[in-house]
Parts: sequence; C-alpha cells; structure tokens
Amino acid sequence: GQNIDQPTEMTATEGAIVQINCTYQTSGFNGLFWYQQHAGEAPTFLSYNVLDGLEEKGRFSSFLSRSKGYSYLLLKELQMKDSASYLCAVADSNYQLIWGAGTKLIIKP
Amino acid sequence: GAVVSQHPSRVICKSGTSVKIECRSLDFQATTMFWYRQFPKKSLMLMATSNEGSKATYEQGVEKDKFLINHASLTLSTLTVTSAHPEDSSFYICSAKGGSDTEAFFGQGTRLTVV
Repeated sequence: GQNIDQPTEMTATEGAIVQINCTYQTSGFNGLFWYQQHAGEAPTFLSYNVLDGLEEKGRFSSFLSRSKGYSYLLLKELQMKDSASYLCAVADSNYQLIWGAGTKLIIKP
Repeated sequence: GAVVSQHPSRVICKSGTSVKIECRSLDFQATTMFWYRQFPKKSLMLMATSNEGSKATYEQGVEKDKFLINHASLTLSTLTVTSAHPEDSSFYICSAKGGSDTEAFFGQGTRLTVV
C-alpha cells in the first residue's frame, strides 16, 4: 500500500534549527511536496523536490533521496510564527497527492 | 503563485439543509480540482478529483450522492453537501492545478458547522 510517515509532533527553540523527516512508500513517484499549515487555515506551499538533493529557499530547505524514500524539511533561525503543522505529500504515478498526517511544530521562546 | 479563491470561508447550517462551496481559480485555467476534508489534528483526506467537463472521481468511502461535485468550467468547481448532518461538520479545502503543472494551489478552506 501507499504510506507516508512523519513525526506527529516536534518542539524546538526560537532561533534554533529543526529537521522534520518524511519517509514514503508509494506506487510511483512524481515529486515530493512540503506544505505549511497554520491551525484553521489551508496549507501553503513550501517546496517541491523531484530530483535527489537539497533545495534551499531562504530559511527553509528540503532534501530528497529517492532511493531511500526519504525527505526532510530543514527550518533555520526559527521564529515563533513557524509554529504550525508541516505536511509531506508525494505525487504518485497518477500525479495524485498522497498526504502524510503532518508534523505539529511547537516553537518555544 | 496562482490564486485559488474558496467561498464561503465559514458557514453554519441547519441539519437537513444543503450547502454549496465554491472554488475558483482566479488567474489560471484549472483542468483538475481536488476536494479535501480535514478533521481536527488530522491530515487532508482526498474526497474527489474533478476534471473540467467530466464527472468527478470519488475516493472510496465518499458518498457521491451526498457530496455533489460540479466542475462546469475551467475556473470553477463546486461542492454541495446535501442534507447535511452534524457529522458532516468539518474543514473542506479545494485545490486546483492546470494542465501539466505539478503544483496544486489551495483555496482558503471552508469551515462547515452543521447544527
């Protein structure tokens, strides 16, 4: 079956760095997405990886290893506003998004 | 990025009535639209995928007669929750993508409360 795994909850300190991991098993692979979702709001796009390696975009970076079925989202210089859920999603062979359950990130002062 | 507008953002309705939620792509042609439901502290659950001009494809366990989806144009899809019940209360989100685009853009979501 298809499966996306990511930690349920993580806690980090303001100004620090946090890495949120995502492992996946899907029927086909057409890219991996990371979304940020604040409570009560729709998800907002953060990154898209389809090739192996690291994509950097400001304070956020996303890494992909297709052979390992693994990705991580790296958040640097954490700010209080980064407290949110982070959703990992994989586009399968039909380009349908398979969603992880999300990782709730709590930032402490 | 592209803009998807979802309306209304919040709606409260009485049990037994129907509610229509609209999803519009404002600056691109959305060949495919997705409707999701999200329960508190849970991830998105895909309800159905709709392609412009054709019938929606519903996910297993989603009642197509209860959740009516219409994708009549390249910029508009609607989800109608018919004969709503309190258990239909949830956060409904649409997303849209055009042609060969890999990224789907999300609407703002609709908080439905059935009383």
